[in-house]
Amino acid sequence: KNEVEQSPQNLTAQEGEFITINCSYSVGISALHWLQQHPGGGIVSLFMLSSGKKKHGRLIATINIQEKHSSLHITASHPRDSAVYICAVSFYGGATNKLIFGTGTLLAVQP
Amino acid sequence: DAMVIQNPRYQVTQFGKPVTLSCSQTLNHNVMYWYQQKSSQAPKLLFHYYDKDFNNEADTPDNFQSRRPNTSFCFLDIRSPGLGDAAMYLCATSTPSGLLYEQYFGPGTRLTVT
Repeated sequence: KNEVEQSPQNLTAQEGEFITINCSYSVGISALHWLQQHPGGGIVSLFMLSSGKKKHGRLIATINIQEKHSSLHITASHPRDSAVYICAVSFYGGATNKLIFGTGTLLAVQP
Repeated sequence: DAMVIQNPRYQVTQFGKPVTLSCSQTLNHNVMYWYQQKSSQAPKLLFHYYDKDFNNEADTPDNFQSRRPNTSFCFLDIRSPGLGDAAMYLCATSTPSGLLYEQYFGPGTRLTVT
């Protein structure tokens, strides 16, 4: 069983729809990261959060530490949001920050 | 803008011919990571440096080596690439902010082995 589970694995939406991607994890963490990767491209860090909620433009990320669950929301979705969204977690301890990645959610937003 | 730069973006090498991938950063971060990402898979950490201290993952093949001559640069050397080493190679950096380390990723180098 993966330590980081995402759902759904694939998501197709119409432009303008509100989108939610979920992430559950099974271990104690120091932070949870939401990352974006366009097809064939590199990774962009969207959010790093350890509690509560963060908002950046049309993107909102929330985390519930007690329930070990996080959600990424996209409001007013647009075709340029089409990408793989990856949830990853990191841990306290040591001098560095290893990430454990989820399997990703492939989002396609259709015009 | 401060950033993580990877060169080249696309690299083609022949089976068994050594290849070097380059990563540089203007963020002055302590930590630099190399990940391998194969098609439709999550990135897999190969190794990382904390300053000059090298940390190899247990399952990273000996075929993969790394050098960090200074804070800004880190290289990934593949001594004898096999067909199975074709992948996207991602460099990332981080530095501690309290107990948290946000990772900044480069655009990646896509390696093709012929």
